[in-house]
Amino acid sequence: DQQVKQNSPSLSVQEGRISILNCDYTNSMFDYFLWYKKYPAEGPTFLISISSIKDKNEDGRFTVFLNKSAKHLSLHIVPSQPGDSAVYFCAASGHTDKLIFGTGTRLQVFP
Amino acid sequence: EADIYQTPRYLVIGTGKKITLECSQTMGHDKMYWYQQDPGMELHLIHYSYGVNSTEKGDLSSESTVSRIRTEHFPLTLESARPSHTSQYLCASSEFGTGVHEQYFGPGTRLTVT
Repeated sequence: DQQVKQNSPSLSVQEGRISILNCDYTNSMFDYFLWYKKYPAEGPTFLISISSIKDKNEDGRFTVFLNKSAKHLSLHIVPSQPGDSAVYFCAASGHTDKLIFGTGTRLQVFP
Repeated sequence: EADIYQTPRYLVIGTGKKITLECSQTMGHDKMYWYQQDPGMELHLIHYSYGVNSTEKGDLSSESTVSRIRTEHFPLTLESARPSHTSQYLCASSEFGTGVHEQYFGPGTRLTVT
């Protein structure tokens, strides 16, 4: 049973536009959420995170929104750049430090 | 520069061979983790350690074993490789502390067992 779901396996966005990546979770005990970016043949790189006490966290072009009632979070990238093309993983953790990952969304930013 | 390293990056090996995947970090982190990932799938935790001489199995059952004799070193061993072990193996580390969730990953080892 997948506790963290990324239902869109891929997303294609034009350069300069907004990319929105979505993530749903089922476990109400999760209280911390993270986004990782992964290029082929490399390990995931931590991008941005949010605690359940907040509903928004922003870092430069990246903003994560958390809707606890809907058990949904999203990552907004604006403006999107070709270098953002990668696989994005959503992850969640609860009272332990173990991370539960989604299956990833492949973002392609085209000129 | 503080970092986390994995060797080899790629390994193709025959069935029945013993292999050790190396992971080292220079960040002084107490916690270390091994994940297994297949293409298009999520990362699955197979082992973790909270410090020297501490090792635990993760959520995904694995035939591999790990050791933690030094803080900076967390190798993973497969005594007898099989084609079902073909996967990408990712090592990660994090600080020890309440509310610390971010894990930092190495570049991974792509293992192919023929």
